[in-house]
Amino acid sequence: SQQGEEDPQALSIQEGENATMNCSYKTSINNLQWYRQNSGRGLVHLILIRSNEREKHSGRLRVTLDTSKKSSSLLITASRAADTASYFCATDKGTGGSEKLVFGKGMKLTVNP
Amino acid sequence: ETGVTQSPTHLIKTRGQQVTLRCSSQSGHNTVSWYQQALGQGPQFIFQYYREEENGRGNFPPRFSGLQFPNYSSELNVNALELDDSALYLCASSSSVLRGEKLFFGSGTQLSVL
Repeated sequence: SQQGEEDPQALSIQEGENATMNCSYKTSINNLQWYRQNSGRGLVHLILIRSNEREKHSGRLRVTLDTSKKSSSLLITASRAADTASYFCATDKGTGGSEKLVFGKGMKLTVNP
Repeated sequence: ETGVTQSPTHLIKTRGQQVTLRCSSQSGHNTVSWYQQALGQGPQFIFQYYREEENGRGNFPPRFSGLQFPNYSSELNVNALELDDSALYLCASSSSVLRGEKLFFGSGTQLSVL
């Protein structure tokens, strides 16, 4: 089952613009992670935010988490053509159970040069 | 590059056959997770191995089975292949089973079942 749902499902922007992706989830979580996937290859970890954190930065990435709304956003500033990829949020439910990280369906970002 | 290697990169099988996919985890990692990713979807958790024992399983039938070896490399076996098993199979390693561990993914094995 997929807990996260990214929004929008696809985004096309010009190089230099900012890109914002949103993720909503259904159950309580221990932490939320964002991953990037280029052309159907392996996923690369971008950033992790814990349930007791509200905002986190890493280079051009900014992640926010609102546990009351069960949502997170990923902002990529000053986008580059190399940022073109699919982005996934993944939640760790933190309440036991056999499922580990649960991924959303992903959002395809296209950055036009 | 993550240091997680998967083989083969591509595989074509026919319905009813069996397949074995292999994964070498990143150095120092003792936990391996397997995911199935259908076209246009996010990865779906199959199972996780920690120190050669299964440590959690997703909603996949018993014909999906796995192994982890003393060097922490892993295999995913799928019996009685079905057309819907066509997908990208991803292996991910991590340094522990603790919550909050980030996953290091291999490049995947693209399986086509005809």
